[in-house]
Amino acid sequence: DIQMTQSPSSLSASVGDRITITCRASQSISSYLNWYQQKPGKAPNLLIYGASRLQTGVPSTFSGGGSGTDFTLTISSLQPEDFATYYCQQSYNSPYTFGPGTKVEIK
Amino acid sequence: QVQLQQWGAGLLKPSETLSLTCAAFGGSFSSYYLNWIRQPPGKGLEWIGEINHSGRPTYNPSLGSRVTISKDTSKNQFSLKIASVTAADTAVYYCVGGRSDSNWYWFDAWGQGTLVTVSS
Repeated sequence: DIQMTQSPSSLSASVGDRITITCRASQSISSYLNWYQQKPGKAPNLLIYGASRLQTGVPSTFSGGGSGTDFTLTISSLQPEDFATYYCQQSYNSPYTFGPGTKVEIK
Repeated sequence: QVQLQQWGAGLLKPSETLSLTCAAFGGSFSSYYLNWIRQPPGKGLEWIGEINHSGRPTYNPSLGSRVTISKDTSKNQFSLKIASVTAADTAVYYCVGGRSDSNWYWFDAWGQGTLVTVSS
């Protein structure tokens, strides 16, 4: 199985801040990397697929990058509704695996 | 985009069989790969398996032979069964629609989730 790791596991930031979350795969997955946002009690919501492609309806403050084994999710200006947990997920091969999550909290 | 609504028993005893069903509304059911994903309380996401357009299932080896995913195209529904459950199967279970284009594959339709608790 491909193992996914994320850093940091949590971070505190203020509205308007720029933040970056890192995701690493245990082997090369090309650009088969997706990002999801999950709020408490809700299902995850797709933000980015194919490492850098913004899902329809997702604000342009979100962006993704990377390929191979190292990936990033950047929020250019945190909004109050962005405080949530973020997961990366590889779709290179099954079993499809997720990172452990990064919780973004209000400072 | 398809909307997913799921249902099933929320409280099981050890050794019983977990059974959940998911119905799709308002979209092209046949264009989706049909997945189940679970999340233990306070923990991360685990992919259980999927069934593709032609009805072929693929399962996560971590669940061994206990898992069965099936679909009923005439009803736009798909189902999950996990046999011989234990407390380790306690989780919120999501039915999830996956889509692909010529290159990428992603999960963009999620059910509301069902908390399944296994307890004697």
